[in-house]
Amino acid sequence: ETGVTQSPTHLIKTRGQQVTLRCSSQSGHNTVSWYQQALGQGPQFIFQYYREEENGRGNFPPRFSGLQFPNYSSELNVNALELDDSALYLCASSLGLAVNTGELFFGEGSRLTVL
Amino acid sequence: GENVEQHPSTLSVQEGDSAVIKCTYSDSASNYFPWYKQELGKRPQLIIDIRSNVGEKKDQRIAVTLNKTAKHFSLHITETQPEDSAVYFCAASMSGTASKLTFGTGTRLQVTL
Repeated sequence: ETGVTQSPTHLIKTRGQQVTLRCSSQSGHNTVSWYQQALGQGPQFIFQYYREEENGRGNFPPRFSGLQFPNYSSELNVNALELDDSALYLCASSLGLAVNTGELFFGEGSRLTVL
Repeated sequence: GENVEQHPSTLSVQEGDSAVIKCTYSDSASNYFPWYKQELGKRPQLIIDIRSNVGEKKDQRIAVTLNKTAKHFSLHITETQPEDSAVYFCAASMSGTASKLTFGTGTRLQVTL
């Protein structure tokens, strides 16, 4: 177990709806990243938060947004859902900004299906 | 941005044989290269990593090599076992963007008895 928990594990939404995914980081980890993993593909970086501030963003539109809270839990929000948003969303926590300082710990993911 | 290519997409080996997975990256500033194993329906788990100041690293049956000049790195698994069957992802991090990993497309390794 990595100590990173995500909820919900599965959910189904329809096009145009909004979704919020939640992540509880491993204790003491102040950096959280979110990745989107489409079926049969590698994870794609969405964005990263460090001490409640966004610190790096991948090639995703603004309708993907996030929050990190003082207790280091975090949320991923996606507005105006599209069919292509169907994927496994992975949260990963680490200690510090530099990945060189340690391992990236992934949660089990939230599988989103958009109909 | 960084681009990571991974080959092969599928690999089938007999138990006890070796398996090699290769990745190339585009950004010469990348300095950290982890490998993740993902079993069906599970989270990616780090199995080994290498930094740009090292050419090779070994951990029991697993080894990774890095060629900075050619911008490629490889995963070597020796004496494969059925429990090695999974999807393996290579990744690279860009300088100054901690935790922002660019992943390859994955290699499905099947170890047959």
